[in-house]
Amino acid sequence: ELKVEQNPLFLSMQEGKNYTIYCNYSTTSDRLYWYRQDPGKSLESLFVLLSNGAVKQEGRLMASLDTKARLSTLHITAAVHDLSATYFCAVDFFTTNKLIFGTGTLLAVQP
Amino acid sequence: DTAVSQTPKYLVTQMGNDKSIKCEQNLGHDTMYWYKQDSKKFLKIMFSYNNKELIINETVPNRFSPKSPDKAHLNLHINSLELGDSAVYFCASSQDLAREAQETQYFGPGTRLLVL
Repeated sequence: ELKVEQNPLFLSMQEGKNYTIYCNYSTTSDRLYWYRQDPGKSLESLFVLLSNGAVKQEGRLMASLDTKARLSTLHITAAVHDLSATYFCAVDFFTTNKLIFGTGTLLAVQP
Repeated sequence: DTAVSQTPKYLVTQMGNDKSIKCEQNLGHDTMYWYKQDSKKFLKIMFSYNNKELIINETVPNRFSPKSPDKAHLNLHINSLELGDSAVYFCASSQDLAREAQETQYFGPGTRLLVL
């Protein structure tokens, strides 16, 4: 079964702190995506990770991909309130040609 | 210019009615998708079309019928609406399904459907 799991599902953190969101998936893939969704809004693409060891950074967010461990991480550095949103990872599995989304992580950054 | 647009943004209707949601993309992409996001924010693909051809058809009730008049448009028609159809429906597009493609999927603003 093609599964994508994220943890934690909910993350409350203080401004200035660091934290990591984890995305595990069930079978081989070398294409993983991270999206952000603000309440009541659409999904915004953050990162596309296409190979083992890929690392991408944008501002306070950094994403990495380990295809052997079937794991991607989204690391938040020195969180600010503006980062509060739901973050989704999504995997494009070879055999299906479609995105399977994780459950999402609701991030709340408290002042 | 909006890259992926959907109409309507909100749709409130009675059980048993038939309704359509329209989607248009001006990105020149070859592939378009419909996703459903439920009340727990879980996102699941429903359909995808590549150059007007149906590529992915998940286990969706046949009350849902996508139609792609051209590669820039993908509409979703829903017959005999049920309470469980209440959700947010997102249209998305991407450059190609090819393995070499590196493009992400671009999402529309969503259509919030409430069935009473």
